[in-house]
Amino acid sequence: SAVISQKPSRDICQRGTSLTIQCQVDSQVTMMFWYRQQPGQSLTLIATANQGSEATYESGFVIDKFPISRPNLTFSTLTVSNMSPEDSSIYLCSVEEQNTGELFFGEGSRLTVL
Amino acid sequence: GEDVEQSLFLSVREGDSSVINCTYTDSSSTYLYWYKQEPGAGLQLLTYIFSNMDMKQDQRLTVLLNKKDKHLSLRIADTQTGDSAIYFCAESPYGQNFVFGPGTRLSVLP
Repeated sequence: SAVISQKPSRDICQRGTSLTIQCQVDSQVTMMFWYRQQPGQSLTLIATANQGSEATYESGFVIDKFPISRPNLTFSTLTVSNMSPEDSSIYLCSVEEQNTGELFFGEGSRLTVL
Repeated sequence: GEDVEQSLFLSVREGDSSVINCTYTDSSSTYLYWYKQEPGAGLQLLTYIFSNMDMKQDQRLTVLLNKKDKHLSLRIADTQTGDSAIYFCAESPYGQNFVFGPGTRLSVLP
């Protein structure tokens, strides 16, 4: 299975600032996703990170708030822009195993916005 | 739309069996998954079952699938304190993104 590294693992941020989360995979993957897990909640898909083109956002998420980069098949970033306390969540990077369709997750980045 | 439901909490005594239940709605899902999330960690894929199977056993884990009722369960035999975590059921509808349940918080009492 793919090994996924995310950083930062956690951060405390001030309202109005932006933070970029990095996701590095140890192998080339086609499908890469960003999820949000709000406190005590399940996972919500933010967007699919597409290599070489704009990310595909789910309903309720927009590029201005969550810009995503995918420069190659092993790396992606998610930026949480102009943060407010409501953005305090765990943000998880995930990749889909091409042959089996299994979804693997990074350890997550826990953001707290004051 | 797709919906995955789970009970939110389960408490068992150490050494007993735990059974975590899940219902899903989309019969086109090829695979159904169980993920484990320990405190402060990401999600770990525990096991999965192909939709044409009724049962899958992997060491202490047994997955049962009732496709007619769209019911999935995860049984953990001889539950240990290290099994305390949140367990997420997930379906993967054909051509669509994963849908996760709300998670079941398993507490293992000594």
